Amino acid sequence: GAVVSQHPSRVICKSGTSVKIECRSLDFQATTMFWYRQFPKQSLMLMATSNEGSKATYEQGVEKDKFLINHASLTLSTLTVTSAHPEDSSFYICSARRGEQAHPEAFFGQGTRLTVV
Amino acid sequence: AQSVTQLGSHVSVSEGALVLLRCNYSSSVPPYLFWYVQYPNQGLQLLLKYTTGATLVKGINGFEAEFKKSETSFHLTKPSAHMSDAAEYFCAVSDRNNAGNMLTFGGGTRLMAKP
Repeated sequence: GAVVSQHPSRVICKSGTSVKIECRSLDFQATTMFWYRQFPKQSLMLMATSNEGSKATYEQGVEKDKFLINHASLTLSTLTVTSAHPEDSSFYICSARRGEQAHPEAFFGQGTRLTVV
Repeated sequence: AQSVTQLGSHVSVSEGALVLLRCNYSSSVPPYLFWYVQYPNQGLQLLLKYTTGATLVKGINGFEAEFKKSETSFHLTKPSAHMSDAAEYFCAVSDRNNAGNMLTFGGGTRLMAKP
């Protein structure tokens, strides 16, 4: 199956600093990637849809200036949490889809555990 | 708009017993259907999917699910639970008319297996 790699898996940062999370599709091109946030013992919450070569589409309530998304190539999307605060601590997961009718499933990265101290 | 309901946020089974995780969806047309499993501090792994054809689909780790259009359901089953099945399970749907569109997830069901 297709592989999506997310890095880093864990990061601890100081309050006020920025953190970048990378999401790569290793064996297919992904024109669209998705960024989710997951709170403890809860389902995934879609934050934004990342589109290659254009601006990301953010879900309602998600601050676009806080969570910067860059989808510069067909295999790489990045999420930057700017001026992080403890309340930004969470589990962030990216996913990508081939966009093929024969393979409509989404492939997920390993997730990134962000802890802001 | 699509929605997914997973009945039972927690399910506990004895090792060797039948596993049944329920999923119902709401959609104007039958969507693509998926079950994913998530182990602690990891991403989601695809268990199985229904796209077309046979309504009973088999996945990894001995799991299977049956698409029932009349009941708008896609329940996940496994004949005999194993301790290693303990994890969070998510049912998801996506628009059949747009394979690149986002998935809509259910709230998840935490499966606990006891010896």
